[in-house]
Amino acid sequence: EIVLTQSPGTLSLSPGERATLSCRASQSVSSSYLAWYQQKPGQAPRLLIHGASVRATGIPDRFSGSGSGTDFTLTISRLEPEDFAVYYCHQYGSSPQTFGQGTKLEIK
Amino acid sequence: EVQLVESGGGLVKPGGSLRLSCAASGFTFSSYSMNWVRQAPGKGLEWVSSISISSSYIYYADSVKGRFTISRDNAKISLYLQMNSLRADDTAVYYCARSVYGDYVNDALDIWGQGTMVTVSS
Repeated sequence: EIVLTQSPGTLSLSPGERATLSCRASQSVSSSYLAWYQQKPGQAPRLLIHGASVRATGIPDRFSGSGSGTDFTLTISRLEPEDFAVYYCHQYGSSPQTFGQGTKLEIK
Repeated sequence: EVQLVESGGGLVKPGGSLRLSCAASGFTFSSYSMNWVRQAPGKGLEWVSSISISSSYIYYADSVKGRFTISRDNAKISLYLQMNSLRADDTAVYYCARSVYGDYVNDALDIWGQGTMVTVSS
């Protein structure tokens, strides 16, 4: 099983700042089958990025994904108030699929 | 509007059973692999099971293998999760979710339902 470790656990930033979230895999993720999701309290997760760097439909271009192998990054270029939430990475290249434990992005 | 709506959650005693349903609308259900993902209270996401378009390929997390059964009825545009021998650690919100690329069983998940709560407690 591929273990995904996200860092930091909590990130405190202000609107307008740049956010960099990390996801490290215990083994190489096949074909960059890595996704990122945003989840707000009481809501279902929302797909942001798949294939490590492909923005999902309707996702603003301030969200970008990068990386390959075992190291992946989600970058939010300029934080908007609605971006403060929990973010999860997800690898789907190997069975069982696994999720990271999440990074909470909070307002500083 | 593309939508998934789960139902069937509730309170059940340890060892009991529940059947979750997920009704799809707004897209061609029979063209997409489907999935169940759960989230224990205050915890992260856990993949549970996936099923291919024609039900030919089915996968389970080790934590539910032998106890849960995923199925689908393309004519009824619905996904199901039969949960038997339930344990306290199965307590979670259960989400159904659609695979991004229809015929890929292992895929990112682009459409999610609102979730249904399952509580296993005596």
